[in-house]
Amino acid sequence: GQNIDQPTEMTATEGAIVQINCTYQTSGFNGLFWYQQHAGEAPTFLSYNVLDGLEEKGRFSSFLSRSKGYSYLLLKELQMKDSASYLCAVLDSNYQLIWGAGTKLIIKP
Amino acid sequence: IAGITQAPTSQILAAGRRMTLRCTQDMRHNAMYWYRQDLGLGLRLIHYSNTAGTTGKGEVPDGYSVSRANTDDFPLTLASAVPSQTSVYFCASSNGPGAEGSDTQYFGPGTRLTVL
Repeated sequence: GQNIDQPTEMTATEGAIVQINCTYQTSGFNGLFWYQQHAGEAPTFLSYNVLDGLEEKGRFSSFLSRSKGYSYLLLKELQMKDSASYLCAVLDSNYQLIWGAGTKLIIKP
Repeated sequence: IAGITQAPTSQILAAGRRMTLRCTQDMRHNAMYWYRQDLGLGLRLIHYSNTAGTTGKGEVPDGYSVSRANTDDFPLTLASAVPSQTSVYFCASSNGPGAEGSDTQYFGPGTRLTVL
């Protein structure tokens, strides 16, 4: 079966750095997405990786290793507004998104 | 309209009633999707449409139906609602599978449905 694993919850301090990991086992791979979802709101697109390596976008970076079935989202200079759930999703061989359950990130002052 | 809209925002429904959730996008995206999101679970695909006139079943299609008469609209119908269909429903759209680019999906604001 297809599976996306990510931690259920993480806590970090304002101004610090946090890394959210995602491992996947899917039938085929056409890219990996990270989305941010604030409580009571819709998911919003953060990043897309299809090749191995690090993609940097401001305070957020996303890394992919296809051989290891592994990705991480790195958030720097954490702000209180970064408190949200972060969803990892893989586009499989049928071009359907397989979603992880999400990681709830709690930022403390 | 900018992006994707959904209606209603929330609804309380008696079991056995018929309900249609509406979704409209103005981005001229080919593909549209319906997901449900339940606490502790990832987004689960109900139905999708890769282009107007075609639809397909996702992971959890039972009890739901969709239609795609045109590019912009993708309504989701619950023929006879049951309490297990209590959930948050998100509509999304994208350029479509294999389209140039990342096929990023963009989401509507969601409909919170409670079936009693």
